[in-house]
Formats: sequence, structure tokens, C-alpha cells
Amino acid sequence: DTGVSQNPRHKITKRGQNVTFRCDPISEHNRLYWYRQTLGQGPEFLTYFQNEAQLEKSRLLSDRFSAERPKGSFSTLEIQRTEQGDSAMYLCASSFTWTGGNEQFFGPGTRLTVL
Amino acid sequence: AQSVSQHNHHVILSEAASLELGCNYSYGGTVNLFWYVQYPGQHLQLLLKYFSGDPLVKGIKGFEAEFIKSKFSFNLRKPSVQWSDTAEYFCAVRGNYGQNFVFGPGTRLSVLP
Repeated sequence: DTGVSQNPRHKITKRGQNVTFRCDPISEHNRLYWYRQTLGQGPEFLTYFQNEAQLEKSRLLSDRFSAERPKGSFSTLEIQRTEQGDSAMYLCASSFTWTGGNEQFFGPGTRLTVL
Repeated sequence: AQSVSQHNHHVILSEAASLELGCNYSYGGTVNLFWYVQYPGQHLQLLLKYFSGDPLVKGIKGFEAEFIKSKFSFNLRKPSVQWSDTAEYFCAVRGNYGQNFVFGPGTRLSVLP
């Protein structure tokens, strides 16, 4: 399968714990995006990378959130000291840059439940 | 800041009915526009996109959308829906000089057999 993959698919954690999610983009894609989606809402942009550089971060991304893409391939999103409000679906998407625009291909998401 | 609104939260249709889902955006510059679909239990998939040129764009599965710049709208249409079109539909906009996609809240479509 050559699509975007995310692991784990589901994560249940207790408030205050740290969690880390992984995203593997489509191999030739140089851009990688993280979104958060809550029930009844569309995806909300969190951050994106071009290769290994993190180029944009949303104000939604508090200090407890950190994302990395160390070698320009897979990415990790870590949430420290989780809160119940962090419960959501975390989506990863990737795209390839071209001058006319780009379209994003989404992974299946990681559903986080904070108890 | 960019924003996207979708007029209907939940639409219920019978098979063979025509569909139109509204999408309006607020952004002053050139935009790229997208419709994504999320079938039950599946991830988001691209239905169609508008970058430039003909404002009437055709996508997969018989869907089309029309970009009306003066109305800041990008409505999704399908002449005859099928039960398999039951899904959540999201409109998204991206400014031409930025990478940040802004999604609407989604419209849930239920097609009755």
C-alpha cells in the first residue's frame, strides 16, 4: 500500500500522560501536515513540514505539542501532559510541491481518548 | 483569516435525487478549492479540486462543483445520488501563497435506499 499510514490507530491514555503518534507519508511527497478533528467538525490545521523543516504552526499548537520530521520522511507528533480536551482524531496528510498548487492525501488518523 | 462555511449540517435524500451542497469561503486573494469526502470508517479522500481555468470542475463518481468568484462559493453537485454516496463532505480552501488548508465543518449526507 503506497498511501499515508498512521500509527497507532487508537490510543487511550490517562490525563497527564505523554503520547506520541507516527505518520509515514507517501514516499515521494515532500510536504507533511498534521490536523486535529473533533466530532462534528472539519479538520483543523496544526502544523506542516517541507522536508525536515517545520514551516508553519497553528496557534492551536500549544507548548505541550511538538512535531518533528527528522529526516524529511516520517513524522511524529507528541503531546505532553495530555488533557481531556486533547481527545480527538489526529490526521496526517502529505503532498508534493508543484507550482500550480497541491492536493493533500490523508491517512486514516489516530484516535486519541484521554480519560 | 480564511474561513469556510457549509450551509447544511445534515442532508437526507432519497436515491436518484439531485444534490447540491453549499460552500462559501472568505479570503481576499487567489484560492485553491477542494471537496473531500469521508465514507463511514474510511479516511478523507479528494473528490475534486479547482486551481484555475474552467470554473466548472468535474470529479470522481459523477460529482462536479462550480467556482463562482463573485459569490465566494464552490458548491458541490451531483444530478442523481446513490446510497453509496452516504458520507461526510468537507469543503476546503487554500490561499495560493500559503500552505494552510482551512476546512469547513462538513455536511453529512444520508441517502435513503
